[in-house]
Amino acid sequence: DAKTTQPPSMDCAEGRAANLPCNHSTISGNEYVYWYRQIHSQGPQYIIHGLKNNETNEMASLIITEDRKSSTLILPHATLRDTAVYYCIVFRYNFNKFYFGSGTKLNVKP
Amino acid sequence: EAQVTQNPRYLITVTGKKLTVTCSQNMNHEYMSWYRQDPGLGLRQIYYSMNVEVTDKGDVPEGYKVSRKEKRNFPLILESPSPNQTSLYFCASSLVPGTGVQETQYFGPGTRLLVL
Repeated sequence: DAKTTQPPSMDCAEGRAANLPCNHSTISGNEYVYWYRQIHSQGPQYIIHGLKNNETNEMASLIITEDRKSSTLILPHATLRDTAVYYCIVFRYNFNKFYFGSGTKLNVKP
Repeated sequence: EAQVTQNPRYLITVTGKKLTVTCSQNMNHEYMSWYRQDPGLGLRQIYYSMNVEVTDKGDVPEGYKVSRKEKRNFPLILESPSPNQTSLYFCASSLVPGTGVQETQYFGPGTRLLVL
C-alpha cells in the first residue's frame, strides 16, 4: 500500500507560514501527490497536487523532495480559517485508488 | 455551479433495513467514489467507478453495493445495514485521475448515517 504518513497535529501562529510534512516513501515514479483539507466535517477540499516539480497556486505551495519520498505543503500566511485537517494523498495507478493518510490537524492560533 | 450532491444528508435507520444513499454530479466526470469517515481513521474508500458500468472495490467494501448505470449517478446501497456502518459518508467525483490535468476531486457535503 502506498501509505502516507503525517504528524497527527501541528500548531501555527496566525500570519506565519504553516509547513505540513508528509512521508510517502513507497510512491512510484508516475504517481501524483495530492493535498486536501477538511474543515470540521465538511467534504474535503482540493488544495494542490504535484508529480516531481514544486507547485504553487493561490492557496498554497507544494515542495516535493528530489527522491519524491516526502513532500511539504506550505500555507504562506496562515489565518484562523486555515484551521482544518490536512490530508496528503497518493493516487495508485495500479489500483485506481486514492489512499488517504490519517491527516494532520492544523491549529492556527491568534 | 459544479457540484456533487448527496441525499439524504442525515439518516437514522434500524439494523437490516435496506437503504440507498444517492450521489449525483453535474461535471461529466468519469471517476466517482464513495468514502466513509470514522473518528481516528480518516477517509477510507468503499467503492469506486472509473466509468459507466465499471465499478470496483475500495479498501472497505464489505456490506456495501454500488451501481453506475449513468455517468452522473453513483448510489451507495446498504442491503442489510448494521451498527458498525454508522459513519459519515462522502461521495466524490473527478475526471480520470492520475493524468495530472484537471485533477480536482470534488466531494459532496456528506451523509451522516446512524444504524440502531
